[in-house]
Amino acid sequence: DTGVSQNPRHKITKRGQNVTFRCDPISEHNRLYWYRQTLGQGPEFLTYFQNEAQLEKSRLLSDRFSAERPKGSFSTLEIQRTEQGDSAMYLCASSKVAGGFPDTDTQYFGPGTRLTVL
Amino acid sequence: AQTVTQSQPEMSVQEAETVTLSCTYDTSESDYYLFWYKQPPSRQMILVIRQEAYKQQNATENRFSVNFQKAAKSFSLKISDSQLGDAAMYFCAYRSDPVKIIFGKGTRLHILP
Repeated sequence: DTGVSQNPRHKITKRGQNVTFRCDPISEHNRLYWYRQTLGQGPEFLTYFQNEAQLEKSRLLSDRFSAERPKGSFSTLEIQRTEQGDSAMYLCASSKVAGGFPDTDTQYFGPGTRLTVL
Repeated sequence: AQTVTQSQPEMSVQEAETVTLSCTYDTSESDYYLFWYKQPPSRQMILVIRQEAYKQQNATENRFSVNFQKAAKSFSLKISDSQLGDAAMYFCAYRSDPVKIIFGKGTRLHILP
């Protein structure tokens, strides 16, 4: 396995359009995370899944955003009615829970999808 | 709320020299993890080094080491024998929540040949 993959790598869209991104985690990783990274900033947590269950969502995730992880494998992040403020790099990460407190799992990041909203 | 601060937006170091990147954080938790991630240009973020807060010994990974000062809430990264491939954006990060990592704004490191 070569790591977390994300498609597409780049997406240009017009304001008001819907876009969908895909993330394929490392196989057997049961946790999957979405982050957003704007220019000059570090990544900000959006949401995460454990298997197919979405367990936490940031308040950054407005109702125009929806994420799914059917069957606990790949995940999709959809943004409806895109706005120029949605332009960012969307990063996906995955990890395998190793137990312990706090959890000792390491998050492995994908290359990201760069979204540009015109 | 937990915060992570990296006060050096950019740094430069001569190849083969040593450089230290600074990071401070704010938390009221006693159990947490600290990380340094590297993000090369147009490439994905990778974990450089991790420190558990309950461990007094500073983490080391080959040429990378940290100076963890828990009372001062400081977590600096030292890169020894800098190489051209070390050029990247470096993010300091914190985690106490089981899943959510809080990142600093990053320090862009330039390696001068």
